[in-house]
Amino acid sequence: GAVVSQHPSRVICKSGTSVKIECRSLDFQATTMFWYRQFPKQSLMLMATSNEGSKATYEQGVEKDKFLINHASLTLSTLTVTSAHPEDSSFYICSARPGAASYEQYFGPGTRLTVT
Amino acid sequence: EDQVTQSPEALRLQEGESSSLNCSYTVSGLRGLFWYRQDPGKGPEFLFTLYSAGEEKEKERLKATLTKKESFLHITAPKPEDSATYLCAVQAGSEKLVFGKGTKLTVNP
Repeated sequence: GAVVSQHPSRVICKSGTSVKIECRSLDFQATTMFWYRQFPKQSLMLMATSNEGSKATYEQGVEKDKFLINHASLTLSTLTVTSAHPEDSSFYICSARPGAASYEQYFGPGTRLTVT
Repeated sequence: EDQVTQSPEALRLQEGESSSLNCSYTVSGLRGLFWYRQDPGKGPEFLFTLYSAGEEKEKERLKATLTKKESFLHITAPKPEDSATYLCAVQAGSEKLVFGKGTKLTVNP
């Protein structure tokens, strides 16, 4: 149980284009989903928290107009990196929380984004 | 400010050599402490949640314990497949998890 998927697992895009990453909770409903970024040999950095049907809450220093987050249903959240630049290249990981009664977050397998 | 410090940064063990990883935390109002395992190029895999001092949880060769200031992840008779980065995270007043930098464990055959 508590499986989270991400698609795509790897993506290469050209500078200036936009990329969408999907995060799905496969066997539970997630009232809250989180998006993280991880640089090589570093820990996870929270980018934003999204609740179904609400606007995402972004962490300080994360540009909300660049990293668009949509949490349209209880099983799907998307992260769109707009006008991507090489410095946006990173490992993006989502997580999902099953409900208010549970504090655990279950993580997806991650998406490796390379901007050329 | 909530803080999580993990030590050591890296640990090399021989197969069968038991050891412990440490996670020290400073939070106001701990709601939960979490241990995750992360393999290279993958997302973290949930291992344990601990809620109160004195609590212990076990899974195969892993045992997690919690005090008011720190948590230990004990690894008994590790195998090469236990090699990974182990992450500790805490949740206090908000929904956010605060992660430590992790301990990279290498178990040599």
